[in-house]
Amino acid sequence: TQLLEQSPQFLSIQEGENLTVYCNSSSVFSSLQWYRQEPGEGPVLLVTVVTGGEVKKLKRLTFQFGDARKDSSLHITAAQPGDTGLYLCAGAKGGKLIFGQGTELSVKP
Amino acid sequence: TAGITQAPTSQILAAGRSMTLRCTQDMRHNAMYWYRQDLGLGLRLIHYSNTAGTTGKGEVPDGYSVSRANTDDFPLTLASAVPSQTSVYFCASSVEGGSNTGELFFGEGSRLTVL
Repeated sequence: TQLLEQSPQFLSIQEGENLTVYCNSSSVFSSLQWYRQEPGEGPVLLVTVVTGGEVKKLKRLTFQFGDARKDSSLHITAAQPGDTGLYLCAGAKGGKLIFGQGTELSVKP
Repeated sequence: TAGITQAPTSQILAAGRSMTLRCTQDMRHNAMYWYRQDLGLGLRLIHYSNTAGTTGKGEVPDGYSVSRANTDDFPLTLASAVPSQTSVYFCASSVEGGSNTGELFFGEGSRLTVL
């Protein structure tokens, strides 16, 4: 059983569409990070959210941390082919960073 | 800046053989980690080290061992490889570990196939 459940696991959309990726858990995390990974490379940090209810924006990407610090979402507005990749959420718990399964996003032109 | 360097990039190994995956960082980070990545399972923590001279077990430590003799190096050893250890292995580091764990910086991964 994954401590962090991401959904959907796969998402294929057309350029210009909006999408939301969810990261859910029954556990409370002190912080939550979102990473993006391209084929053949390691994950790269996009954002860290720390406070319950916090919202952070990174250009067309909006990240939200749930009020209870158990879940998070990533919303992409007007997706572009360059957004294609694997998106991973990771929660800090017990001094370790635990990752979700990832969401494989494909944006077709 | 090189950041995290992993070697080898790819390796095919016969079951029962031993193998050491090498990881070196040049950022003087205190904490280092080994994760394995498998389709549908995301990244799972194998072992970690919050500072040189100390190591700890992650989610899936069985069949693996690590050492942290100095700040820069964190090798991962498979004493007797089994096919279920076929995976992509990522080494990572962070400035601090434990309750102060922040951004992780990853290497490019080592793809291991055990036949």
